[in-house]
Amino acid sequence: GDSVTQKQGQVTLSEDDFLFINCTYSTTTYPTLFWYVQYPGQGPQLLLKVTTANNKGISRGFEATYDKGTTSFHLQKASVQESDSAVYFCALGSNTGYQNFYFGKGTSLTVIP
Amino acid sequence: GPKVLQIPSHQIIDMGQMVTLNCDPVSNHLYFYWYKQILGQQMEFLVNFYNGKVMEKSKLFKDQFSVERPDGSYFTLKIQPTALEDSAVYFCASSPRQNSGNTLYFGEGSRLIVV
Repeated sequence: GDSVTQKQGQVTLSEDDFLFINCTYSTTTYPTLFWYVQYPGQGPQLLLKVTTANNKGISRGFEATYDKGTTSFHLQKASVQESDSAVYFCALGSNTGYQNFYFGKGTSLTVIP
Repeated sequence: GPKVLQIPSHQIIDMGQMVTLNCDPVSNHLYFYWYKQILGQQMEFLVNFYNGKVMEKSKLFKDQFSVERPDGSYFTLKIQPTALEDSAVYFCASSPRQNSGNTLYFGEGSRLIVV
């Protein structure tokens, strides 16, 4: 079945550091890939999404490329800020079943000022 | 952006009692979901709902759980009876159409504590 894997449970960086959060997926279909961000005490909100393989999504300085060859959708940001501290979820929107979404376990980012 | 409202935001309940969590989805959305999250970690799918029916549910959606949306009002998750392991934050989400490209819009969550 469809699944999403995020290997990093926690990431701690200093301001202006480069961010890389790993995400790989498994599917037999042609999914849409998402990154959601969840701030403390809030629900997840969409950060970016990409519907077509080999395309890149960009939002608020974050970017992720839908790489069908490596089945990856890693999240990157050139220079993080303290306000980026949150939990980041990689997700897959599947064409099978009834619009199931599959979330990774989440990566908690802490940015130290 | 589109807003999903959840009521209550917090509830403490005695084990064995019934609880109803309410969700007011985005007005033109047709697909509704409940997710369970423990300790700010993984979002775990419970159930999705369309056209008055449960379309898919996970193993976490126990027999004590039920969902409904009577007459286009709140989309509700009812747990009866509650158990200690039901303590979690429950997120409602909605989306407009059945298409993998559609974004899920989440509410702020209902924190349930079963004591």
